[in-house]
Amino acid sequence: QSALTQPASVSGSPGQSITISCTGTSSDVGGYNYVSWYQQHPGKAPKLMIYDVSNRPSGVSNRFSGSKSGNTASLTISGLQAEDEADYYCSSYTSSYTRVFGGGTKLTVL
Amino acid sequence: EVQLVESGGGLVKPGGSLRLSCAASGFTFSSYSMNWVRQAPGKGLEWVSSISSSSTYMYYADSVKGRFTISRDNAKNSLYLQMNSLRAEDTAVYYCARDRGQLIRDAFDIWGQGTMVTVSS
Repeated sequence: QSALTQPASVSGSPGQSITISCTGTSSDVGGYNYVSWYQQHPGKAPKLMIYDVSNRPSGVSNRFSGSKSGNTASLTISGLQAEDEADYYCSSYTSSYTRVFGGGTKLTVL
Repeated sequence: EVQLVESGGGLVKPGGSLRLSCAASGFTFSSYSMNWVRQAPGKGLEWVSSISSSSTYMYYADSVKGRFTISRDNAKNSLYLQMNSLRAEDTAVYYCARDRGQLIRDAFDIWGQGTMVTVSS
């Protein structure tokens, strides 16, 4: 159950777009379309932003989008806003019937 | 309002036990699989355990297998985590989280506020 690999940090200026990658294996990210992304502000519970690779829950801004290619999933945030500054985690279902998270990426809005 | 409220956290000595509870409201609890996810201080999220809607299937992270037991009571709209043989590395905020559906593979769409467990002598 090794964690998925995410960059430790990314940054961007307001209005710009950023992409966070999430790399796994064929036993998790690459094998299933059950990749999800979570946003977590300090001291708060995580919030679901993307499910099933590219679907947005009701109420989540369309500035957030997800995709997958092979064993790597990606979260793109367009039109960066100050409120987007947070930690982001990817997660995937695995062939062992478990779930695995990425190590998390700290997004800084410059 | 759809809500999950955890309770039962606290300070426990290494080797001790603790039982966490999660009270669900605002949705048909028995229709969803449920999970526990933890976060050590300053660290990332770690999936701990999942249970299917009717308790038929239960899965655990290797780090807690044999020590933790997940259960649920659909009549009481409650989820539980019995934690035995606790170690310092189990120190974390424990979140209760709902799966989007019945299948234990979907995203976690509703989260509780978390309950802190500290394992220390």
